[in-house]
Amino acid sequence: GENVEQHPSTLSVQEGDSAVIKCTYSDSASNYFPWYKQELGKGPQLIIDIRSNVGEKKDQRIAVTLNKTAKHFSLHITETQPEDSAVYFCAARKTDSWGKLQFGAGTQVVVTP
Amino acid sequence: DAGITQSPRYKITETGRQVTLMCHQTWSHSYMFWYRQDLGHGLRLIYYSAAADITDKGEVPDGYVVSRSKTENFPLTLESATRSQTSVYFCASSEAGGVTEAFFGQGTRLTVV
Repeated sequence: GENVEQHPSTLSVQEGDSAVIKCTYSDSASNYFPWYKQELGKGPQLIIDIRSNVGEKKDQRIAVTLNKTAKHFSLHITETQPEDSAVYFCAARKTDSWGKLQFGAGTQVVVTP
Repeated sequence: DAGITQSPRYKITETGRQVTLMCHQTWSHSYMFWYRQDLGHGLRLIYYSAAADITDKGEVPDGYVVSRSKTENFPLTLESATRSQTSVYFCASSEAGGVTEAFFGQGTRLTVV
């Protein structure tokens, strides 16, 4: 089955700097890669996703890149703000998988003022 | 209110007791999922459902039972709770299985003593 590895497990950045989280996946049939943000005491919330026919996607300060050949994808947050502090999860899914998501272990991001 | 809701938010139970976690969604999404979240493991799929009366096991199904008699409800039952089932449980739903967004509930923190 699919295996998703996520690095780093913790990331501390200064406010205004950029943050990058990287994930690799094992199943070449995976074609949907969402990123979720989880704030303390809440459920994960989708912040951006990318499909396998796209190499990069941006939404304001966040962007995701996908390298299908290398089977890895990354989340980039620019101009980080204290409200970006949260746990971020990457995930992967195949079309024929009944919507099942395989998650990475998560990255705790701390943005210090 | 529209959305996906879980109940209870917090539950303490004793080893060996049966406990049921509830999940209700108002979107009439076909797909529903139960994940558990443990430190270092991210979110792991317990059970999923593609429609009413269609359910299947995920990655970590042992000790859990699900049912889905109505599209909007997807209860998760721990038949005989064990300490290893202490975790945060998240329910999710999505409109379709492929590349559609999955929406998560706010979670149930279960402690088995």
